[in-house]
Amino acid sequence: EIVMTQSPVTLSVSPGERATLSCRASQSVSSKLAWYQQKPGQAPRLLIYGASIRATGIPARFSGSGSGTEFTLTISILQSEDFAVYYCQQYNHWITFGQGTRLEIK
Amino acid sequence: EVQLVESGGGSVQPGRSLRLSCAASGFTFDDYAMHWVRQAPGKGLEWVSGISSNTNNRGYADSVKGRFTISRDNAKNSLYLQMNSLRAEDMALYYCVKDIGSNMVATILDYWGQGTLVTVSS
Repeated sequence: EIVMTQSPVTLSVSPGERATLSCRASQSVSSKLAWYQQKPGQAPRLLIYGASIRATGIPARFSGSGSGTEFTLTISILQSEDFAVYYCQQYNHWITFGQGTRLEIK
Repeated sequence: EVQLVESGGGSVQPGRSLRLSCAASGFTFDDYAMHWVRQAPGKGLEWVSGISSNTNNRGYADSVKGRFTISRDNAKNSLYLQMNSLRAEDMALYYCVKDIGSNMVATILDYWGQGTLVTVSS
């Protein structure tokens, strides 16, 4: 099983600033990496797939990068609605999720 | 508009069975693979099972293999999860999720239902 490790567990950032979230795979997943956002009481929402492709309707302030084992989700100018939990997911070999990063208001 | 509506959750004793259903609408159901993903209270996401559009390919997490069975009825636009020998660790919110593709070669989960809660307790 491919283990996905996200860091940090919690990230405190002020609105208007940049947030950088990391995801590491225990073995190469090529570019088969997706990011999801989950707000309290809601289902997850697809943000990014193919490591860097924004899903339909996702604002340009969300960007993804990386390949192999190291990936990054960057939110360039944080809006109030961006504070949530973010999960990475590999789909190179079946499906596994990271444990999540909670993005909170500083 | 894509809609995925889960049902069938509830409270059961350990060792008993439960069948979850998901009614899909707003897209051509038999063109897409479908999945179940669960989330224990206060925890992260865990993929449970997936099935290709033509039912030829099915997959299961190791934690449920041999106990859970995924199926679909394309004529009824419905997805199912038969859960047998339930354990306390199966307690979670179960999401019905649509794949971006048909065959689970690259599983990207683009639409999620709101989930149905399964509680396992004696």
